[in-house]
Amino acid sequence: GAGVSQTPSNKVTEKGKYVELRCDPISGHTALYWYRQSLGQGPEFLIYFQGTGAADDSGLPNDRFFAVRPEGSVSTLKIQRTERGDSAVYLCASNMGPGNTIYFGEGSWLTVV
Amino acid sequence: GENVEQHPSTLSVQEGDSAVIKCTYSDSASNYFPWYKQELGKRPQLIIDIRSNVGEKKDQRIAVTLNKTAKHFSLHITETQPEDSAVYFCAASRSNTGNQFYFGTGTSLTVIP
Repeated sequence: GAGVSQTPSNKVTEKGKYVELRCDPISGHTALYWYRQSLGQGPEFLIYFQGTGAADDSGLPNDRFFAVRPEGSVSTLKIQRTERGDSAVYLCASNMGPGNTIYFGEGSWLTVV
Repeated sequence: GENVEQHPSTLSVQEGDSAVIKCTYSDSASNYFPWYKQELGKRPQLIIDIRSNVGEKKDQRIAVTLNKTAKHFSLHITETQPEDSAVYFCAASRSNTGNQFYFGTGTSLTVIP
């Protein structure tokens, strides 16, 4: 596609519910990243995929967060038992691998009430 | 891991004046430093980047300088215009291993007409 696509653009969910956020990277980009951005803060690294495997998941805050990229393209970030503190913009980005610029999607705005 | 610090957090300048934003990084192995501009509710967009093998790069009104010894890099915007108003983020990455990008906390720039 022309750019990184994320769905949904906005999601409001109740505390304790399960949420899935989807990212479709730029065609041909082998690396995919998930970041979380809270108001007034910079993007916070969550997880990075190279191909189908998670090359680095050290940024995931706890075991309620999980991400997959089964075919090396689309990725899904999964959040279980959501908490109000999970409210943020979840940004996806992709690039062609080490040494290349990353390009961001528009983000998924998650609000947990 | 890498720690990127960014200053100032807010900056107001008169239209036509210059703006300078500074970042420091901790990992001497970082070798790629992009700058992103983020308008309210929009995705971060790359505006300029620099690699560790050069000390300065310029693109029209925007320039970036890098001091590897001191581990700091700066964004310079000359002849500022109201449309330059946005939040600017610096980032650091090690392109040879890991490929993670670590972001500063952002600078909110306001250009006063």
